[in-house]
Amino acid sequence: GQQLNQSPQSMFIQEGEDVSMNCTSSSIFNTWLWYKQDPGEGPVLLIALYKAGELTSNGRLTAQFGITRKDSFLNISASIPSDVGIYFCAGHTPRGGSEKLVFGKGTKLTVNP
Amino acid sequence: DGGITQSPKYLFRKEGQNVTLSCEQNLNHDAMYWYRQDPGQGLRLIYYSQIVNDFQKGDIAEGYSVSREKKESFPLTVTSAQKNPTAFYLCASSSSGPEKLFFGSGTQLSVL
Repeated sequence: GQQLNQSPQSMFIQEGEDVSMNCTSSSIFNTWLWYKQDPGEGPVLLIALYKAGELTSNGRLTAQFGITRKDSFLNISASIPSDVGIYFCAGHTPRGGSEKLVFGKGTKLTVNP
Repeated sequence: DGGITQSPKYLFRKEGQNVTLSCEQNLNHDAMYWYRQDPGQGLRLIYYSQIVNDFQKGDIAEGYSVSREKKESFPLTVTSAQKNPTAFYLCASSSSGPEKLFFGSGTQLSVL
């Protein structure tokens, strides 16, 4: 089945630093999404990307849909303590009515004040 | 406020017991989903429903069952056939397919 390779698996950074994480796949996706999960909670959608090459920002977050449609990255600028959590990428391609998202395994971010 | 509510937050199952996890949404979404999350793993789809009285198996449906008798509700039963049920279970809903999911706050299921 389809798989997403998300890296890095974890990151430990100092407050104020910029962060970059990415997802790659052997399959093409029509949609890339980035979610953030706080401890003990459900994921929350951060950014949705629908077009190859698309670059979208949401505050200090910026995400891009790779030209090949097989990858995406998420950048966080000037990190703050509340950025702590697990970030998931997810890809979707409609296939025969399939309603499935494929999720990466997540990047766990720790921000030291 | 509209949202998706999961209960209970924590649930314990004894050997051989069936347990049911509740998921209710007041977002008027047609589609609802159940995911399982294990530590260090991505989310894996158990079951999903695009319309009332209809549901489809996901990637790991064995040992689980669902029903969709009302648009607002999509309960998940973890049966005794699920031999490794300890996990964090997430319910989600969407009005436009799986591209934009709204998640509940999850239920942590543990085995006694």
